Formats: sequence, structure tokens, C-alpha cells
Amino acid sequence: DAGVIQSPRHEVTEMGQEVTLRCKPISGHDYLFWYRQTMMRGLELLIYFNNNVPIDDSGMPEDRFSAKMPNASFSTLKIQPSEPRDSAVYFCASSFRRSEAFFGQGTRLTVV
Amino acid sequence: DQQVKQNSPSLSVQEGRISILNCDYTNSMFDYFLWYKKYPAEGPTFLISISSIKDKNEDGRFTVFLNKSAKHLSLHIVPSQPGDSAVYFCAAPGFGNEKLTFGTGTRLTIIP
Repeated sequence: DAGVIQSPRHEVTEMGQEVTLRCKPISGHDYLFWYRQTMMRGLELLIYFNNNVPIDDSGMPEDRFSAKMPNASFSTLKIQPSEPRDSAVYFCASSFRRSEAFFGQGTRLTVV
Repeated sequence: DQQVKQNSPSLSVQEGRISILNCDYTNSMFDYFLWYKKYPAEGPTFLISISSIKDKNEDGRFTVFLNKSAKHLSLHIVPSQPGDSAVYFCAAPGFGNEKLTFGTGTRLTIIP
């Protein structure tokens, strides 16, 4: 398995634009997580899914953020409209039941 | 509310010596703990875990110790190698759910 695959690796966008981050979890994993890493807040969980169903989105900072998981092999995190303070590295991770989570390489988002 | 804390942002250790990374937690309901390692421009990778029913878990050069009464865990790396230079995160899943809470990380530098 190729591991968790995220795209794009880097994204630079202008303030106010819509940004969509993509994630393909490891096949067979039933949990998918979206994390954001910043200098100020470290690694924070935004939302997680179990069997494609959102379980906890309490970490989503604002209504500008939304996440979907239409099937077991794909998830998106969308920011609309984007703001400079959204600049961070966004990680997707997946796991099987309560085993350790495997992380993708992250998407570095810069909003200018 | 930072439920998992790593109070040392950085640590430098001579190659061949022991590296000890510390983590404190506040939620006594955590039932297992994980350590992740992160290199620049990569996602965190799972290193080692420990269940709350144990006080020690060893895997090669890596040993994690858990002191439940003190709500403290530590990761020992011996002997330390240059490739161990990375940021180390401790993490714990919520009770009854998969919401992984991460510490703020400790940057370990191994000096050749």
C-alpha cells in the first residue's frame, strides 16, 4: 500500500479563494482524521470520520471549513473563503479501529 | 485545555548517549499512549505505544515508561543515533473514541 496520499503537497492561494485539500486513506482503514499543524497550536484535530461518517467536528475552526468523505477511499477538506490565518500544514491520517494512525505527507497551505 | 503536555520544546543529546523525552497528561481516562516521530516536510510516523495496564514497553532502541500515579510517560532512546534527530510527539486517544490528542512536541537533536 502506498500509504495515505494527500494532494496537493503545496498550495498558494489568494485570500477569499476556495481551497480544497484531498486525501486518499489506506485501503481497509475505517477511521480518517484531518489535522492542522501551526507553530502556535501544534497538531490539532479538526474532524474525524468513522466508516465515512463524521463523528466529531468540534475542532473545525469556523463555518468556512467543511469536510466530506463520499466513500471509503476519498476525503476532502474545503476552506471557503480562505484567509491568511488559515496558512498551515494540513495532515490527513487514517487508522484501523484503535490502532495507530498513519499520516500523509501533508499539504502546506499559504494564503496571501 | 492541553490534556497532553510536553514541557521541553527541544533537547540535544550526544550520539551514543540516552535520549529521554517526557510527556505529562491530565486525563486519567486515557487508556493508551502513543509516540510519533516527525521529520521536516513529512507527516508524523508512529513509533511506539503503551497500554495503561502496562508500565513499560520496549521495541529495539526505544522504550516507553508509564507512571500512572504521576500521569507521566517518557520515551527512552538508547543509544541515540543521528537519524533520531526529529520532533517527537506523545499522543493519547480519548476514552471510548479515536480522537487523538497530541502534545506540542519536543525537537530532539543528536550531536555527532
